[in-house]
Amino acid sequence: KQEVTQIPAALSVPEGENLVLNCSFTDSAIYNLQWFRQDPGKGLTSLLLIQSSQREQTSGRLNASLDKSSGRSTLYIAASQPGDSATYLCAVGQAGTALIFGKGTTLSVSS
Amino acid sequence: SQTIHQWPATLVQPVGSPLSLECTVEGTSNPNLYWYRQAAGRGLQLLFYSVGIGQISSEVPQNLSASRPQDRQFILSSKKLLLSDSGFYLCAWSVLNNEQFFGPGTRLTVL
Repeated sequence: KQEVTQIPAALSVPEGENLVLNCSFTDSAIYNLQWFRQDPGKGLTSLLLIQSSQREQTSGRLNASLDKSSGRSTLYIAASQPGDSATYLCAVGQAGTALIFGKGTTLSVSS
Repeated sequence: SQTIHQWPATLVQPVGSPLSLECTVEGTSNPNLYWYRQAAGRGLQLLFYSVGIGQISSEVPQNLSASRPQDRQFILSSKKLLLSDSGFYLCAWSVLNNEQFFGPGTRLTVL
């Protein structure tokens, strides 16, 4: 059974720092991996999707990497801003099933 | 462009009352549709998913049910709510490469 773990559960950084959020999964037979952002009381916003054949995806200040063999993904945020404060969720997709989510990392960026 | 709607945004219901939450998607055809629940400290849990009209798969046995009467409409129901049904209910859709897009959610409080 696939399990997705995100470490740390919470992270506080000063504005301007570069940071890395970690995601690990137990079954490497994944179809894709998706990173989401969730603001308090809101739905999920898709940030990046990495297909199983890809190693990384970039969008603006965000870069996500995928290492299937080791069961890991990282989300790199460059030059963090207070507006980046949110919960970041990692989810893996396997053929024929819906996404399996980690519990998220809550990020707080102070000005 | 595609959009997803959920209503109501918030709902407070007594134990034992019925429930009906609605989700509709615009701008796409034949989407896969999903219902998730997010409870405090438990992460996102997949409840139901549907690959077509009238086709519903249940992931977790419970007193909830789902229906898909039209291609872009997904309904979550219950005949009698329990306290444990409280949570944040999220609808999502996907096509092709399985990237999922989420609605704004419904906050349900059962008293």
